[in-house]
Amino acid sequence: NAGVTQTPKFRILKIGQSMTLQCAQDMNHNYMYWYRQDPGMGLKLIYYSVGAGITDKGEVPNGYNVSRSTTEDFPLRLELAAPSQTSVYFCASSKQFLAPANTGELFFGEGSRLTVL
Amino acid sequence: LAKTTQPISMDSYEGQEVNITCSHNNIATNDYITWYQQFPSQGPRFIIQGYKTKVTNEVASLFIPADRKSSTLSLPRVSLSDTAVYYCLVGKNRDDKIIFGKGTRLHILP
Repeated sequence: NAGVTQTPKFRILKIGQSMTLQCAQDMNHNYMYWYRQDPGMGLKLIYYSVGAGITDKGEVPNGYNVSRSTTEDFPLRLELAAPSQTSVYFCASSKQFLAPANTGELFFGEGSRLTVL
Repeated sequence: LAKTTQPISMDSYEGQEVNITCSHNNIATNDYITWYQQFPSQGPRFIIQGYKTKVTNEVASLFIPADRKSSTLSLPRVSLSDTAVYYCLVGKNRDDKIIFGKGTRLHILP
């Protein structure tokens, strides 16, 4: 199984450009997430989705958009890239757990390193 | 989501047992405790999860006292390859979001 696949692995953008980070999972997971991680810091939740057609904001959603048209795919769109968006972006997925306070096991991709100059 | 407090960093030596403690004083009745490991340039990886008492798998043990206000991740006989950041997560926040803290940076010395 491929698990969670992210593309591209590396990208350099100029200020004001736009791009989409792709994320796909083959585990039939309902839940998917986008996190960003700045150097030496923890992960910050950008957006998440509990199923196709349903998305919600995380801690740091400004400057980003997402869509979830299928169970497998959860692309993250950056509009008008800014230097503050230079970071490593991680996509993750998990099963839906019946126990609401059980986060279960998140499966992460290898990350996409984005630099905005 | 119960607020968690972990040491920012820890050093240890190869072959020793390492214990990383996480404080979560306001843990809710239904909250589970989950630990992740993150190697440099990789995404976090699930290590272990528990609700109470002790849980053990092939990677680590998780000790949870009766009051559940803290938990301890125990790594037996560490090696250089255990150098990583370890995150403690407790439940979800009130908006149903899974939030990571800053974690504990563990450095294993030869």
